Amino acid sequence: GNSVTQMEGPVTLSEEAFLTINCTYTATGYPSLFWYVQYPGEGLQLLLKATKADDKGSNKGFEATYRKETTSFHLEKGSVQVSDSAVYFCALSALSGNTPLVFGKGTRLSVIA
Amino acid sequence: GAGVSQSPSNKVTEKGKDVELRCDPISGHTALYWYRQSLGQGLEFLIYFQGNSAPDKSGLPSDRFSAERTGGSVSTLTIQRTQQEDSAVYLCASSSNRDSYEQYFGPGTRLTVT
Repeated sequence: GNSVTQMEGPVTLSEEAFLTINCTYTATGYPSLFWYVQYPGEGLQLLLKATKADDKGSNKGFEATYRKETTSFHLEKGSVQVSDSAVYFCALSALSGNTPLVFGKGTRLSVIA
Repeated sequence: GAGVSQSPSNKVTEKGKDVELRCDPISGHTALYWYRQSLGQGLEFLIYFQGNSAPDKSGLPSDRFSAERTGGSVSTLTIQRTQQEDSAVYLCASSSNRDSYEQYFGPGTRLTVT
């Protein structure tokens, strides 16, 4: 079946450090890939997405590139801020349109000043 | 506009009792999803409604769980004879082709079974 594996947390970084959160997936066909973020005390919200191979999703300084050859969608940010502290979820949608998401287990990021 | 709302925000119940959790999706969104977020399990899909089609119940963990969606809008997730392992945050999301199928999540209902 479809699945998402992301690096275990927690991850603790100093402000302005480089961030990578690894995400790999298993899916049949050509899934769409997502990163969701959950800030403390808030609901889950979409951070970025990519719908086909080699697409790069980007938002708020975060980027992730859909790599079909390595079945990966790693999240990166060049310089993290304290306000980036949150739990990050990698997810896939196996089909286009309105379909359920398959999530990774989440990675908690803490950024310290 | 209004986002996805859920009620109650917190629910504490005794083992063996039934509970109902409510979700109000974004107006006009044809698809509605229920997920469960628990420690160690991450986010799991439970059930999905798309328009007037029969719901996809493939994620429901047992027959104690059921959900309905009335009038293509509000949905209720019912858990019968609750068990301690049902303790989790239950999230609802809705989506539409108008918004590129992006799923918008509600704030969740935290369920604690004592």
